Amino acid sequence: DAGVIQSPRHEVTEMGQEVTLRCKPISGHDYLFWYRQTMMRGLELLIYFNNNVPIDDSGMPEDRFSAKMPNASFSTLKIQPSEPRDSAVYFCASRDGGDTGELFFGEGSRLTVL
Amino acid sequence: RKEVEQDPGPFNVPEGATVAFNCTYSNSASQSFFWYRQDCRKEPKLLMSVYSSGNEDGRFTAQLNRASQYISLLIRDSKLSDSATYLCVVNPARGAGSYQLTFGKGTKLSVIP
Repeated sequence: DAGVIQSPRHEVTEMGQEVTLRCKPISGHDYLFWYRQTMMRGLELLIYFNNNVPIDDSGMPEDRFSAKMPNASFSTLKIQPSEPRDSAVYFCASRDGGDTGELFFGEGSRLTVL
Repeated sequence: RKEVEQDPGPFNVPEGATVAFNCTYSNSASQSFFWYRQDCRKEPKLLMSVYSSGNEDGRFTAQLNRASQYISLLIRDSKLSDSATYLCVVNPARGAGSYQLTFGKGTKLSVIP
């Protein structure tokens, strides 16, 4: 079975450019999460969706960040304009509604903003 | 106080050694607890859940002390393949907010031949 699929795997861009990260969750999973990982701050939850509806976006750093989930099989995280401090690995994860606590992560999108 | 705190390590141990990681959490109402493993430049993956009574999975033993808000992971007979970062994870609440796992920054383990 396919896991969580993220694209691009790597992106290098210049400050001020728009960045769009994409995610396809595991089929049948009701919850989708966007995390950001840096050495300094570890894994931080940015936003999560339940049945395509954003439930909590309190982790989104500022208005430059936005996330959408137009359907059950696709989500995007957009940064506009990007800044060097946005450089990080962005993980998408999904899970079903059970109580196991298991999140299934994609391989991540490594973003470098110059 | 950070929500989930771990000793960052690194822990460098010889093959066959026993190593223990500790983790503390700040929210006394936290309901469930997990250890995730993250290999270098890879995504985190669930290693095991942590139950109040303690639980074991092969060479791995996890324990929870709710009174002290403390979680531990013990690895016996370390293998080279155990080298990774181990993330302590806490689920802070039941109900509507029960899916927002909080991750520690991880403890790095290197098992040396």
